[in-house]
Amino acid sequence: ELKVEQNPLFLSMQEGKNYTIYCNYSTTSDRLYWYRQDPGKSLESLFVLLSNGAVKQEGRLMASLDTKARLSTLHITAAVHDLSATYFCAVERLIQGAQKLVFGQGTRLTINP
Amino acid sequence: DTGVSQNPRHKITKRGQNVTFRCDPISEHNRLYWYRQTLGQGPEFLTYFQNEAQLEKSRLLSDRFSAERPKGSFSTLEIQRTEQGDSAMYLCASSLTGIVNNEQFFGPGTRLTVL
Repeated sequence: ELKVEQNPLFLSMQEGKNYTIYCNYSTTSDRLYWYRQDPGKSLESLFVLLSNGAVKQEGRLMASLDTKARLSTLHITAAVHDLSATYFCAVERLIQGAQKLVFGQGTRLTINP
Repeated sequence: DTGVSQNPRHKITKRGQNVTFRCDPISEHNRLYWYRQTLGQGPEFLTYFQNEAQLEKSRLLSDRFSAERPKGSFSTLEIQRTEQGDSAMYLCASSLTGIVNNEQFFGPGTRLTVL
């Protein structure tokens, strides 16, 4: 059974600092997704990582994927308050040709002025 | 706004009542997924449709749950004899076959509260 673990689960940081969220998964998968969720809202897609060594960047966020280590990271550079949210990684498991996403528990990020 | 809509957005019901939720996917998307998210947790897969065919159901989907996608367009999720443990956010997502990244686009969710 595919399991996805994120750490830390809670992260409080100051504006301007850098930090990394880690996502480990238990079985082979070549696709990993990062989503952002604001309180009471749905999921907003951030990154789709399709292959080993993939790196994507958008603004202050950068995501990478190491399929051999079964690890993805989401790096936050010079954090700003607007990035406060819960971040989920999700790993794809193929079922009859389509993907079922298995999500991590989420990392609740709070950025303080 | 991803283009996936869900109704209602909020539903409060009493234990034992039946409820039905609707999801309208992005119009050209042939795949539709239902997930459930409880407070403080990540979404959990419930079921998946390709066109009108329901191809996978999670063990989380007890006999009280049923989902349909009659014409391969919108989908409904019905919960019969609701229990307090059914309180959660129910999320719908859609995707399109043949797209390289198979990205799922999520709707705003229906938040169910069972009293």
